[in-house]
Amino acid sequence: DAGITQSPRHKVTETGTPVTLRCHQTENHRYMYWYRQDPGHGLRLIHYSYGVKDTDKGEVSDGYSVSRSKTEDFLLTLESATSSQTSVYFCAISETGTGISNEQFFGPGTRLTVL
Amino acid sequence: RKEVEQDPGPFNVPEGATVAFNCTYSNSASQSFFWYRQDCRKEPKLLMSVYSSGNEDGRFTAQLNRASQYISLLIRDSKLSDSATYLCVVFSLRGYSTLTFGKGTMLLVSP
Repeated sequence: DAGITQSPRHKVTETGTPVTLRCHQTENHRYMYWYRQDPGHGLRLIHYSYGVKDTDKGEVSDGYSVSRSKTEDFLLTLESATSSQTSVYFCAISETGTGISNEQFFGPGTRLTVL
Repeated sequence: RKEVEQDPGPFNVPEGATVAFNCTYSNSASQSFFWYRQDCRKEPKLLMSVYSSGNEDGRFTAQLNRASQYISLLIRDSKLSDSATYLCVVFSLRGYSTLTFGKGTMLLVSP
C-alpha cells in the first residue's frame, strides 16, 4: 500500500470553529489532492497541488483553503466549519498529473462531523 | 447529463454469478478511464484501467466504447470478497487535470 496517512481520522467540531486536516505521504509523489465524499455524490475534488507551494481549486473549493510547504504534507483548512462540511475527506497522491498513468492512491480518510 | 453515470444498484448476486456494471460519461474529450473499488468505510483503490481494446485481469474484464461513451466492467465467478462498491472514473483535461468519479454501484455477493 502507498504510504499515505491522514490525521485526525475522526473529528467532531462545532459550527464556526477552524479545522485543519493533514495528509502525509512517504512516496515523494508530486501531486496531492483533497476530496470529499458524501452520500448521493461521487468523490468531489476540493483542491489539489502540483508541487510545493503550487495549489489550485477543484470542483467544490468554497470554504476550504490548502497549503503545501513540503512535498510530503498537504493541509486542508476549514476556516469556519459549517454543518454542510460534515463529510468524509480523502487525501490522494499521484506521481503524474495526466494520462493513463495517473493512478491516484488514497489515504484512509477523515470522518468530520460539524455540529 | 451528469459527467459520469453508473447503475444505482445495489446488485445482489449469489457466489459464482457473473455480474456487469455499466457506466456512461458525458465529456467526449475524456482521455483515460478506470474502475476503482471501495470497501465499506475504506478508501477507494484502483481495480483496473480501461483501454480501448478492452482488457482482462483474471475474473475481471473492462470494455470501453468511445463512440457510445460507455464503459463496462464484467466480473465472472463472483466471490464473497468481491462485495464492495465499484466506482467508474474518468480522466479529463478541463483547466486542471483530474479524475471525475461516478457515485458507484454496490455489489453484494451472497453464499
